[in-house]
Amino acid sequence: QVKLLQSGAALVKPGDSVKMSCKASGYTFTDYIIHWVKQSHGKSLEWIGYINPYSGGTNYNEKFKSKATLTVDKSSSTAYMEFSRLTSEDSAIYYCARDNSWGQGTLVTVSS
Amino acid sequence: DVQMTQSPSYLAASPGESVSISCKASKSINTYLAWYQEKPGKTNKLLIYSGSTLQSGTPSRFSGSGSGTDFTLTIRSLEPEDFAVYYCQQHNEYPLTFGSGTKLEIK
Repeated sequence: QVKLLQSGAALVKPGDSVKMSCKASGYTFTDYIIHWVKQSHGKSLEWIGYINPYSGGTNYNEKFKSKATLTVDKSSSTAYMEFSRLTSEDSAIYYCARDNSWGQGTLVTVSS
Repeated sequence: DVQMTQSPSYLAASPGESVSISCKASKSINTYLAWYQEKPGKTNKLLIYSGSTLQSGTPSRFSGSGSGTDFTLTIRSLEPEDFAVYYCQQHNEYPLTFGSGTKLEIK
């Protein structure tokens, strides 16, 4: 079945960057776009953007355009999101998602 | 961006009862609305998309209705496994946007 397996929790310092992964299995990776979503503690969900694994084409939420970079490695069926210049506001759970499947989330904590 | 207003934010009900959750869009999104279920320790589950189309595997006690700006998720005859957080999300245009969530708890 379709599975999106995300990388583990990360503790990072303010100003640093973090790169998280989302490994897909159970389907042809290049057939479906991958979305990334942010969930701040106790809050709702924000769409960050998507990447088309086939073409590498991306579409970002304006709010995250200078913050997030989406890439893929087709050889390993893995999508990546790098979040840069981290602040406490970036502490959240980050999800990758396909049309009908979500990853389990990666908790990012920004703290000195 | 399309603002999604979801209500109520909290709902208490008993197994066997029926409940409804409302989601209102700040402008017309045609029928492009999805409903997701969030439960601790499980990945988010797509229940309904395009307003009323049940995702494969979604029990028939779930139903979605609405078009334009007003949408409703109805769960008939609640089962114990239905107590969770529910989010609506519009998929009519980018950026995709979500409602604030409804926590459904056992009374």
